[in-house]
Amino acid sequence: TQLLEQSPQFLSIQEGENLTVYCNSSSVFSSLQWYRQEPGEGPVLLVTVVTGGEVKKLKRLTFQFGDARKDSSLHITAAQPGDTGLYLCAGIGYSGYALNFGKGTSLLVTP
Amino acid sequence: DTAVSQTPKYLVTQMGNDKSIKCEQNLGHDTMYWYKQDSKKFLKIMFSYNNKELIINETVPNRFSPKSPDKAHLNLHINSLELGDSAVYFCASSQDSLGGGLFETQYFGPGTRLLVL
Repeated sequence: TQLLEQSPQFLSIQEGENLTVYCNSSSVFSSLQWYRQEPGEGPVLLVTVVTGGEVKKLKRLTFQFGDARKDSSLHITAAQPGDTGLYLCAGIGYSGYALNFGKGTSLLVTP
Repeated sequence: DTAVSQTPKYLVTQMGNDKSIKCEQNLGHDTMYWYKQDSKKFLKIMFSYNNKELIINETVPNRFSPKSPDKAHLNLHINSLELGDSAVYFCASSQDSLGGGLFETQYFGPGTRLLVL
């Protein structure tokens, strides 16, 4: 099993602030995905990054895949209460057949 | 229309009982999964089926037995329930199976909250 460590585990900020969530591993991944899970719901895919060094933007969310394909970050600009949720990173290795999930970052954005 | 549905949404039962959770997807996908999310929100793969055939069977007690009657359904039967089985169980599906470095979008159901007393 390839382990993914996410940090911070919890984050509570005020509306309008910026934040970055990190996803790190000692293993190389062929691709990495970010999901958001809201209370009482299943995870929903936000983005997939495939190429080392790749940067993808989704409105106020910016995702980056590390050059060595071992880590990723999620940056949110001007956070809004609607961004509240559990953010999960998940990766698949070149010889893997399943997604390995990180333990998640719980984000709370207060008005 | 719900893409991946699970029943029941909540399940409260006594230790030692046998229970089943059902999952259906109407996306026409070939691969389905069962995940367990513990109280600390850690999501871990349990099983994966591709076209009704088991392709992933992680280290899960053999009290857990998945069954796929067709590729749109993947049910999970649990025998002799234990306190430690309390968790949220998610079903998911993807167009094809993961492997060889290929990525697929997985669509998750809303989860079944199992509480064993």
